[in-house]
Amino acid sequence: EAGVAQSPRYKIIEKRQSVAFWCNPISGHATLYWYQQILGQGPKLLIQFQNNGVVDDSQLPKDRFSAERLKGVDSTLKIQPAKLEDSAVYLCASSLGTQDTQYFGPGTRLTVL
Amino acid sequence: GDSVTQMEGPVTLSEEAFLTINCTYTATGYPSLFWYVQYPGEGLQLLLKATKADDKGSNKGFEATYRKETTSFHLEKGSVQVSDSAVYFCALRVDQGAQKLVFGQGTRLTINP
Repeated sequence: EAGVAQSPRYKIIEKRQSVAFWCNPISGHATLYWYQQILGQGPKLLIQFQNNGVVDDSQLPKDRFSAERLKGVDSTLKIQPAKLEDSAVYLCASSLGTQDTQYFGPGTRLTVL
Repeated sequence: GDSVTQMEGPVTLSEEAFLTINCTYTATGYPSLFWYVQYPGEGLQLLLKATKADDKGSNKGFEATYRKETTSFHLEKGSVQVSDSAVYFCALRVDQGAQKLVFGQGTRLTINP
């Protein structure tokens, strides 16, 4: 069974530039999550989707971050414009439902210079 | 709010040593508790979980017992191997509302041969 796919794996940008990350969850998983993991910290949930609807985006900085999950499958996370403090690993995870085990992708490491 | 506090790292042990990584939590309601592991170059993987008080989760020789009276979920292994070198994250999920995972900061474990 294929796992959660993410791309790109690494991205380096200048501050104030825009960047987008892509996630393809495990087939059949209705719930999709985006986490931000700053170096030395645990992952922090940014946004959670159930199919193509948002369940929780309370910790998403909505002035610069946006995410969508069109058709309830793939998802993209965008940052516009990026700040230095956005340097982190962005993790995507998926699960069958909200009470099921979350499976994580390898992450995208973002460096903002 | 809900939070998880883990033992400060890094932790360095010799092969076959006994391992304990402490984890305590604060939560409204009755959380499920998890240990995730991140091996070098890989994504987060669920190691074990417990969903109610006094439950013991176990996997790959690791164990953790859900202690409601001390709000703890310490990870233990009787004899560690070099292949156990990884970063370990304790997490909780309150099974109400959005049911999101809240992670601790992680503990880096290095096992020397």
